[in-house]
Amino acid sequence: EPEVTQTPSHQVTQMGQEVILRCVPISNHLYFYWYRQILGQKVEFLVSFYNNEISEKSEIFDDQFSVERPDGSNFTLKIRSTKLEDSAMYFCASSGTSGLRDEQYFGPGTRLTVT
Amino acid sequence: AQKVTQAQTEISVVEKEDVTLDCVYETRDTTYYLFWYKQPPSGELVFLIRRNSFDEQNEISGRYSWNFQKSTSSFNFTITASQVVDSAVYFCALSSGSARQLTFGSGTQLTVLP
Repeated sequence: EPEVTQTPSHQVTQMGQEVILRCVPISNHLYFYWYRQILGQKVEFLVSFYNNEISEKSEIFDDQFSVERPDGSNFTLKIRSTKLEDSAMYFCASSGTSGLRDEQYFGPGTRLTVT
Repeated sequence: AQKVTQAQTEISVVEKEDVTLDCVYETRDTTYYLFWYKQPPSGELVFLIRRNSFDEQNEISGRYSWNFQKSTSSFNFTITASQVVDSAVYFCALSSGSARQLTFGSGTQLTVLP
């Protein structure tokens, strides 16, 4: 069964450093998403991406965040200058484009720890 | 604005008991979609069900059933004859209007004791 994959599973970085989180969505999906979950809290939407551009973003997704689809398979989230409060689990998701609102399939997550 | 409320923070039951997880949603859109996801201790998010606002038919899948009631803006999830493997955090989520983003509730931690 196709699945969303994410690398790395755990990333430790120092405050102020740049990190890139990588995702490979399900191959025939066209919508891609990033969410984050601070430990013990709800899952929060960051950004959605379609047709090589951002389609929606939340207020969390400020100028320090960017997304890119550098090739036909990868979807990345870059955090330019990490802060302690960026420590969270980051989930990538993808969905299809049928007439109904397709379910989003989530990857296993990348745990980001900023020290 | 859209909002999902899961008032039950934690529920603990003994194996084989039935348990219902509550979800109340708010949206001004007439077209919307509701979802349930399971997050086991390993941390991944597992899709369980999707419902759209035009289909109020309840659904049963094995030991799982869902009750969608537009009149009360609720989309409750029942596990029949619970098992230890059902222990997880369960999230209800909403996507409404033209936006595809999911708005999640705060989740219900279900613990099934042997």
